[in-house]
Amino acid sequence: RKEVEQDPGPFNVPEGATVAFNCTYSNSASQSFFWYRQDCRKEPKLLMSVYSSGNEDGRFTAQLNRASQYISLLIRDSKLSDSATYLCVVGSGTYKYIFGTGTRLKVLA
Amino acid sequence: ETGVTQTPRHLVMGMTNKKSLKCEQHLGHNAMYWYKQSAKKPLELMFVYSLEERVENNSVPSRFSPECPNSSHLFLHLHTLQPEDSALYLCASSQAGGSYEQYFGPGTRLTVT
Repeated sequence: RKEVEQDPGPFNVPEGATVAFNCTYSNSASQSFFWYRQDCRKEPKLLMSVYSSGNEDGRFTAQLNRASQYISLLIRDSKLSDSATYLCVVGSGTYKYIFGTGTRLKVLA
Repeated sequence: ETGVTQTPRHLVMGMTNKKSLKCEQHLGHNAMYWYKQSAKKPLELMFVYSLEERVENNSVPSRFSPECPNSSHLFLHLHTLQPEDSALYLCASSQAGGSYEQYFGPGTRLTVT
């Protein structure tokens, strides 16, 4: 089993749709969780950290489920500019980050 | 200057060349990282420096040699690379001491011919 698993997609959704991604992790001792966005041939950019109680930033909501060992990202009212690859990152110790392979999102006009 | 910068942005080198990648961060962080990203693979951590000391070396071949002269600068020295080393090399920085948010530079796209 991979340490961090994501559905590679692509998820093709119309503008204005709501879309959700999940990411599962294998190490129950993992301590920190992040979602990054990566555009084609660019660097990953931090989208949001994921907190135990869940957190929201505008149209983006992140949730953590420690019991089932997954995190989720919900995007409401999708925009064309949301098209990108979304990377799940799990911190499992000091300086130890495990990256998922990413989920590709295409928002269609 | 903002965030994390990397130079050069693109590099083509032969297998016998020696070159260096440079990274600079302007975020006041004390930890810096080198990652390799190959097509369709997750980011692979290569090296971590915290407070200018190397704290992680993930079985990286010796043809890659990191250097961290101070907490703002990080180098990756390259020599006698192989074509399979062609990839995007990303530098990142974070606060030291845990697994905090990382901020990435734009990367150097390396092609080894």
